[in-house]
Amino acid sequence: NAGVTQTPKFQVLKTGQSMTLQCAQDMNHEYMSWYRQDPGMGLRLIHYSVGAGITDQGEVPNGYNVSRSTTEDFPLRLLSAAPSQTSVYFCASQAIIFTDTQYFGPGTRLTVL
Amino acid sequence: EDKVVQSPLSLVVHEGDTVTLNCSYEVTNFRSLLWYKQEKKAPTFLFMLTSSGIEKKSGRLSSILDKKELFSILNITATQTGDSAVYLCAGDSGGSNYKLTFGKGTLLTVNP
Repeated sequence: NAGVTQTPKFQVLKTGQSMTLQCAQDMNHEYMSWYRQDPGMGLRLIHYSVGAGITDQGEVPNGYNVSRSTTEDFPLRLLSAAPSQTSVYFCASQAIIFTDTQYFGPGTRLTVL
Repeated sequence: EDKVVQSPLSLVVHEGDTVTLNCSYEVTNFRSLLWYKQEKKAPTFLFMLTSSGIEKKSGRLSSILDKKELFSILNITATQTGDSAVYLCAGDSGGSNYKLTFGKGTLLTVNP
């Protein structure tokens, strides 16, 4: 049981490049989400999904796309990277039951030059 | 818009001190308040609080929720250098728009 996995761990992009951050979980969780964390800003929700085929925007969705074709995978796409997207990105998953909490992946540190 | 505010934003103490971290929240369809500890990697879960006035305890850490006044506190007694971390609290909104709203965190530094 690997929990929540994210790849890559580190990435450097040039402005305008596109890329996909991968997130997978093997706990059969319905809920998955993407956060970005910037110094002094806590975790801000980018997009989330309550099940396969269902996604919704969080607090800071601009510049990012997501899809949820399977329960296990929830990739985050940067369409045209900008320096403002330099951040640490965390994926999380949760079973939608009252007593559960979110489980976080190890994070991806992204730098956009 | 949902909002979670933590105070103080940073705190420096000496080993053995007791600290209290604060979290106030305004979350629609509030379901629970969660505390996480983050040490230069992914946040790790500490507590989930759903009922007012019931203290959750784990070793030297304890937390309580006040649903009337919309706040929670996290206490750490007899602090150790290993408690140095960012402590995050988050409000959980249930319903069809389920999501967590995080505060900015409190950076706790415990000096020997």
